[in-house]
Amino acid sequence: KAGVTQTPRYLIKTRGQQVTLSCSPISGHRSVSWYQQTPGQGLQFLFEYFSETQRNKGNFPGRFSGRQFSNSRSEMNVSTLELGDSALYLCASSLAVSKTYNEQFFGPGTRLTVL
Amino acid sequence: GNSVTQMEGPVTLSEEAFLTINCTYTATGYPSLFWYVQYPGEGLQLLLKATKADDKGSNKGFEATYRKETTSFHLEKGSVQVSDSAVYFCALSDRSGNTGKLIFGQGTTLQVKP
Repeated sequence: KAGVTQTPRYLIKTRGQQVTLSCSPISGHRSVSWYQQTPGQGLQFLFEYFSETQRNKGNFPGRFSGRQFSNSRSEMNVSTLELGDSALYLCASSLAVSKTYNEQFFGPGTRLTVL
Repeated sequence: GNSVTQMEGPVTLSEEAFLTINCTYTATGYPSLFWYVQYPGEGLQLLLKATKADDKGSNKGFEATYRKETTSFHLEKGSVQVSDSAVYFCALSDRSGNTGKLIFGQGTTLQVKP
């Protein structure tokens, strides 16, 4: 069974540009969550999508947005990039069928560098 | 709000040494607790989990017990190997809702020397 895939793996952008990152969850998984990982702030939750609806959102500015498609694939978009957006962006998927516990499986991440 | 605190690293050990990485949490209700591991250049892998008090999670020689009375979930391994060198993250999820949100500790870097 294929794992969570993220594309692209590496990305270099300049300040002010926008970027779109893609995540394909494990087949059958309905929930996709996004995290930002930086040396200073560690791992921070961005948002979660389930059945094409945003179910949960972290404390990030509106420049960060996402969506989920009917096949559960998800994209996140960052507009007007800032230097501080340089990070590893991780996507995780889960079955989301239990109300008490859902194991999350992580992709390898997209390394975004903003110059 | 919910939070996780891990011991600061890096932790440097010799091969076959005993490992403990401390993790304490603050949460309302009864969270599920996890340890994830991140090898260089890779994403996170679930190492072990515990979903209720007194549960012991174990995998690949690593163990952690959910201690509600001390709000802790310390990671232990009796004999570390060079291949265990990685960053370890303690995390919790809120059980009160069907949510994918995980709250992570800052991570502890483990370096094992031969």
